Amino acid sequence: DAKTTQPNSMESNEEEPVHLPCNHSTISGTDYIHWYRQLPSQGPEYVIHGLTSNVNNRMASLAIAEDRKSSTLILHRATLRDAAVYYCILSRTGANNLFFGTGTRLTVIP
Amino acid sequence: EAEVAQSPRYKITEKSQAVAFWCDPISGHATLYWYRQILGQGPELLVQFQDESVVDDSQLPKDRFSAERLKGVDSTLKIQPAELGDSAMYLCASSPFLSGSADTQYFGPGTRLTVL
Repeated sequence: DAKTTQPNSMESNEEEPVHLPCNHSTISGTDYIHWYRQLPSQGPEYVIHGLTSNVNNRMASLAIAEDRKSSTLILHRATLRDAAVYYCILSRTGANNLFFGTGTRLTVIP
Repeated sequence: EAEVAQSPRYKITEKSQAVAFWCDPISGHATLYWYRQILGQGPELLVQFQDESVVDDSQLPKDRFSAERLKGVDSTLKIQPAELGDSAMYLCASSPFLSGSADTQYFGPGTRLTVL
């Protein structure tokens, strides 16, 4: 299974943009890039996903490198509620299994 | 908004006892997943169902864990006997269908198990 590499932790000031990086150098051509986040004491929740093109939704934006070996989750304006562990996950082709790593713990400073 | 339901939310048991967790997925979701999350780590898949059939249970410790989804709706995960190392959060998730690799999973709040 293709692996992802994320920083263990990041900090951001409230109301500023946050760029969460993810490296996935062994990604295959049909692997989707998913982002989930897990708030304290809750189950993970879906944030965004993409294949090749950049994606935007109400929660975040996903910027995918042209060679697809890295991606960046962008929170346009961090709030205290965005403090969570963010997981970058590649979904295995032909299956829906999500292989979570340890993610990036985002701290938002008031 | 529809949610995945899990019960109980917390369970404390003694080593060698049996425990069971229940999950009710979002209505109409054909695929159901059970994950285990040890403190400080990401969730790990234990078993995946498509309707009532097991699709993947390669990471399920079958000597003590069992899972069923008899009518293809709700599901039960059982541990017998429980061991100290089973202390973890047990998460249930569901998704609408098993096709392609872009299916969004919806997670329940989890059951936190403590084995004494």
